Formats: sequence, structure tokens, C-alpha cells
Amino acid sequence: EVVLTQSPGTLSLSPGERATLSCRASQSVSSSYLAWYQQKPGQAPRLLIYGASSRATGIPDRFSGSGSGTDFTLTISRLEPEDFAVYYCQQYGSSQYTFGQGTKLEIK
Amino acid sequence: EVYLVESGGGLIQPGGSLRLSCAASGFTVSSNYMSWVRQASGRGLEWVSVIYSGGSTYYADSVKGRFTISRDTSKNTLYLQMNSLKLEDTAVYYCARGGKYNWNDWGQGTLVTVSS
Repeated sequence: EVVLTQSPGTLSLSPGERATLSCRASQSVSSSYLAWYQQKPGQAPRLLIYGASSRATGIPDRFSGSGSGTDFTLTISRLEPEDFAVYYCQQYGSSQYTFGQGTKLEIK
Repeated sequence: EVYLVESGGGLIQPGGSLRLSCAASGFTVSSNYMSWVRQASGRGLEWVSVIYSGGSTYYADSVKGRFTISRDTSKNTLYLQMNSLKLEDTAVYYCARGGKYNWNDWGQGTLVTVSS
């Protein structure tokens, strides 16, 4: 099973700042199989990025994804108040799916 | 517009059984990859099971042999039959629709509480 480790666990930033979230895999993951989700309290997750770098429908271009192999990054270029939430990376491999433990992005 | 509405959650004793339903509209369940994902209170997301458009099914090790995913084409509904429930199965269960590798659309979730 591929284990995804996200860092940091909590990120405290102010609106307008840049956020960089990391997702590290225990073994190499195809870029096609890496996704990022945003989840706000009491809500279902929302797909942000798929294929490591492609934005899902309706996702603002301040969100971007990058990386390959075992290291992937989600970047939010300029934080808006609605961006403060928990972010999860997720991978697919051999008909199994795993999530990272999440990064909480909080207002500083 | 795609809608996913889960139901069937509730309070159940350890060892009991429960069947969750996910009624879909705006698309055909049998033509899509459909999954169940759960989230214990205050915890992260955990994938539970998937049914591919071709009918193949897969499960997380934590539920293999106890849970069964299925679909009813006539009702355009996804199911999760959960047997031999354990305390650690307590969670909000989401159904989700997507491609093979990730999920675009999610329901609002249904809460399953396993407790004596």
C-alpha cells in the first residue's frame, strides 16, 4: 500500500499570502494518479487538482499542482478567505486508493 | 446537474448489519466508477470500496470480507452492504463518482454509528 504523508500538518497564513502544501509518497506514484481535494467543515470534499497538475472544472487558477514520482505540491498563489480549509492528497494504484492525512490551512 | 444522495445510516450495535444507499441523478451509475469513502469524526478520509463501470469491485483491506458494494441499474442507485460492523466503522460515509483515479462528485454523506 502506498502511504501518503502530507506536510505541514497545520499551516497558518494570512489572506493574500502564498501557500505551499506537500504530499510525499512511500513509493513512486504516476502523476496521472495523484489528486488534491479541499474540504471545509461539514462539507464533502471537493476535487481541486487531478493528474497532479490539471485543475478540475470551476477551480480558480490561483490553485496549481506540481510534482512527480514521490513528491507532489499544491500551491495556492494568493490566499482568499474561502481557501482556509483542510487539503488532502490522494493516489490510485492497483485498484486501491489512499489519502494523505491532510493539511489544515488556518488563518493567522 | 449531478446529484448523489446517501441514506441508510444510523446507530447499530457491534456485529450488526446495515445497508447504505446512494441515489444518483444526472448521470447513469452503471456507466461510471463509483466509490464509497468514509471519514471518522475529526479524522481524515479513508477509501472503502469501488465498483467499476464494467462491474469489477475492490475493497480496502479494513472492510474486505465484511462489506459489499453493488448497484441497481433500474433504480440508478449505489449500495454498500455492511456486515459484522465494528466500533471502528463509525464514520460519515460518502458516495462519490468520478473517473478511475479520482472523484469529481460527492454526496453529502450519511452517518453510521457503531455502538453498544
